Amino acid sequence: GQQVMQIPQYQHVQEGEDFTTYCNSSTTLSNIQWYKQRPGGHPVFLIQLVKSGEVKKQKRLTFQFGEAKKNSSLHITATQTTDVGTYFCAYSGAGSYQLTFGKGTKLSVIP
Amino acid sequence: DTEVTQTPKHLVMGMTNKKSLKCEQHMGHRAMYWYKQKAKKPPELMFVYSYEKLSINESVPSRFSPECPNSSLLNLHLHALQPEDSALYLCASSTRAGGGADTQYFGPGTRLTVL
Repeated sequence: GQQVMQIPQYQHVQEGEDFTTYCNSSTTLSNIQWYKQRPGGHPVFLIQLVKSGEVKKQKRLTFQFGEAKKNSSLHITATQTTDVGTYFCAYSGAGSYQLTFGKGTKLSVIP
Repeated sequence: DTEVTQTPKHLVMGMTNKKSLKCEQHMGHRAMYWYKQKAKKPPELMFVYSYEKLSINESVPSRFSPECPNSSLLNLHLHALQPEDSALYLCASSTRAGGGADTQYFGPGTRLTVL
């Protein structure tokens, strides 16, 4: 079935450095969502992308959906300790509301 | 109110016990979900209720029994669980606005330990 590969699995950065996580699919995605899960917490919705080449920004976070709608990225500029957590991409099939999550990227920020 | 609540927060049970997890939302959402999340893994979908009807059961063992008494409540009844069922159980809801690309709002989860 359709799957997404999320890389890297882990990322350790110094506070102030940038961070990027990637979500790649072998097939076209109808949409992509990004969630953040803090340690000991639950997934929290960040953004949804549906259009080819779409770019959305939330303060220091930039989300992109590839032109072919097969990949997506989340970029954090100048990381802070509050960015610590696991970032998941997730998608639903066309006409479906069932979400399938990528394996996640765990971000650690060294103060 | 954009909150999904779950009770209890923590649950320890023996393999012969019967217990229930509860989930509640008052956002008027018509789709509700149960996920299981093991440590360092993504959430795995277990069940989906749409308009109070079970629409998806992801081949979950019968020792897990979902129930949707009304549009705001979702229960997960547990019976004869195994130690490998220990996990974080997450409830979520979404608007079910017409299919596809619904934002899901997750509750804080119930951390279940089966002895």
